[in-house]
Parts: sequence; C-alpha cells; structure tokens
Amino acid sequence: DTAVSQTPKYLVTQMGNDKSIKCEQNLGHDTMYWYKQDSKKFLKIMFSYNNKELIINETVPNRFSPKSPDKAHLNLHINSLELGDSAVYFCASSHRTGGSFYEQYFGPGTRLTVT
Amino acid sequence: QKEVEQNSGPLSVPEGAIASLNCTYSDRGSQSFFWYRQYSGKSPELIMFIYSNGDKEDGRFTAQLNKASQYVSLLIRDSQPSDSATYLCAVNLRGSQGNLIFGKGTKLSVKP
Repeated sequence: DTAVSQTPKYLVTQMGNDKSIKCEQNLGHDTMYWYKQDSKKFLKIMFSYNNKELIINETVPNRFSPKSPDKAHLNLHINSLELGDSAVYFCASSHRTGGSFYEQYFGPGTRLTVT
Repeated sequence: QKEVEQNSGPLSVPEGAIASLNCTYSDRGSQSFFWYRQYSGKSPELIMFIYSNGDKEDGRFTAQLNKASQYVSLLIRDSQPSDSATYLCAVNLRGSQGNLIFGKGTKLSVKP
C-alpha cells in the first residue's frame, strides 16, 4: 500500500501553461507539504498545510498555489509555467499536533519539465 | 540566517567500514532532527530521527545529537554497497513553523 502518492510521475509542458500535481496520503496525518528539488538536488519547502493554516515559504512565487479538498489530499497548482519551474516536486505528510513536529514521509515525486 | 550545513562529499568508504556523516545547524533552539536517504531518481526515505541529546541506535544506524554544539551526526556501521546514496540532514529550526530545513546532502559511496 502506497502511503503518500503523487500523480503524474512525469509532466512535460510548455511555458505559459497551467498545470496541477495531485497528492494523496493514507497515513491519517494532519499536515501535508510540498517541496521542490532543483537540478542541484537541493530540497526546499514550498508550503505546509493542515486544516487550520497554510504556511507559505516567502520565496515561492504566487503562481504556485496549494489546494486541499480534504486532509488526505493536497494538490499543487501552477500558473503560467516558466523554464525555471523545471524540477522534481515532492509531496510529504506528517502528524503535527500541539506544537510538536514529527517525521515526514515523502511521495515518489513528480518530475516537471517546462520547455 | 537559518540554515543546515553538510559536507557535500563524496564520502567514500570500503565495504564493512563505519561511515560517519555530519551536519551542523544554525539555531540552538531547534527541536527535531532527521536523517533521510535518497537514492538517485528516488524520493527521500526517512531512516532516523532524534529529539534528545545523546545517541539513538536502530540496527546499523546510530544518530548522535549534541544541541550545545549544534551538531547532529549519522553513523552507519558495516557499510554495504546498497548504502551508497545521498544522505540528507533535516532540522525543524526554531521559527520555521514546523517546516523541515534540509541540508544539501552528503553523497556516500561504499566500495565493495
């Protein structure tokens, strides 16, 4: 059973398009995250979200927006794609209660290529 | 600036040796510390977490935390070629609002 899943695994698109990446977790966690891993393999947080708050990394362009239909899903929508958006995007989830932060589990990643 | 630093390597060890991976972090108030393993083309896989000063052992892996020195390490005993991967240190820095801040990773190569 896949704990954190993402679709699609690969996404190739042209500049200017709008695309979405879906993420689902079946771990019963209350918090989900999106990370970006660039060509130099540096993994950087983009968003964290639970049913109470969205925390946005201030360096993320507002073309990126997370959308959560329920606490098991956190989708990433990207408007007006740019060449620099090419990267691998990872979804992750964890418990996060009472100010304590627990280990995060990652999905398999979505490799986005913008041409 | 809040950050997590690792030696990028590559760190090369012979099979059966102990591999020692190190990580320093900038904020003394950090609470939680994690080691992830990432094989090429794969997602990060959690292998150890530690919250308190001292050592924590799990099989061939030992995580060591020294909050006073702002230092966390991972020891891999009896290293195997299958341990060859990039090891990512991640920290819940105080003020990061629960988000993990990752180091740039250390690439480990275990030679048969």
